[in-house]
Amino acid sequence: EVQLVESGGGLVQPGRSLRLSCAASGFTFDDYAMHWVRQAPGKGLEWVSGISWNSGSIGYADSVKGRFTISRDNAKNSLYLQMNSLRAEDTALYYCASSGQVGAPFDYWGQGTLVTVSS
Amino acid sequence: EIVLTQSPGTLSLSPGERATLSCRASQSVSSSYLAWYQQKPGQAPRLLIYGASSRATGIPDRFSGSGSGTDFTLTISRLEPEDFAVYYCQQYGSSPMFGQGTKVEIK
Repeated sequence: EVQLVESGGGLVQPGRSLRLSCAASGFTFDDYAMHWVRQAPGKGLEWVSGISWNSGSIGYADSVKGRFTISRDNAKNSLYLQMNSLRAEDTALYYCASSGQVGAPFDYWGQGTLVTVSS
Repeated sequence: EIVLTQSPGTLSLSPGERATLSCRASQSVSSSYLAWYQQKPGQAPRLLIYGASSRATGIPDRFSGSGSGTDFTLTISRLEPEDFAVYYCQQYGSSPMFGQGTKVEIK
C-alpha cells in the first residue's frame, strides 16, 4: 500500500523557518518525481514545488521562489521542504504528492501537515 | 504561466443527475497534461482523470473527461451520493497549475 506521511508542521512566527518532511513507503520512491502542494484554509490547491527522481530537475512556484527549498533523500525514501522567511500567506495544509515523472499527474497524496504562520 | 479557470464555481444537482464541469486555459494545454482531481472535506485530493480523458486506476466509468486546446470538460454521468465534492482541473507540465475548483453540492 502506498503511503505518504507528512510531518514537521506547526505554529511559527513570521520571518522564521520550518522544515517539512514526507516519508514514503509502498512504492519505489526513487522511480518517482515528488511535489509539495498547499491549500490555505478554505481555499484551493496551489502547487509549491517539485523535484525529479534524481534531483536533477527542480521547480518552484513564483510565490515561494528564493524562500523555499525542496530536496529528497532516496536512501531514506524521504522528501523535504525547507521553508525560510515565512509569511502569513504561507499558512496552509501542505501535502506531498508523487508523480511518475516531472510532467505526469499527481497519483498519490499524503494527508498533509498544517503550517500556521502567526505572531 | 497558464491560468486555469473553472466554471461554474458551484453546481447544485440531485443524485442521479448529470454534472458537467468546465476548465478553460489561458493558453493552449497539451491534452497529455490535463488532469482532474476530486477532493472531499478533510481528505487529500484524488486523481480521477489524466491526459484529459483517461481514467485513473479504480475510477468508475461514470466519470469521463474530454476536450483539447483551451477547453476541457469533466462529466459525471449520474451523480452518486459520494460524488458530491470539490473538483479541480490541473495542467501538469513543467510548472503545474490548478484551477480554483468547482463545488458539486446536493440540491
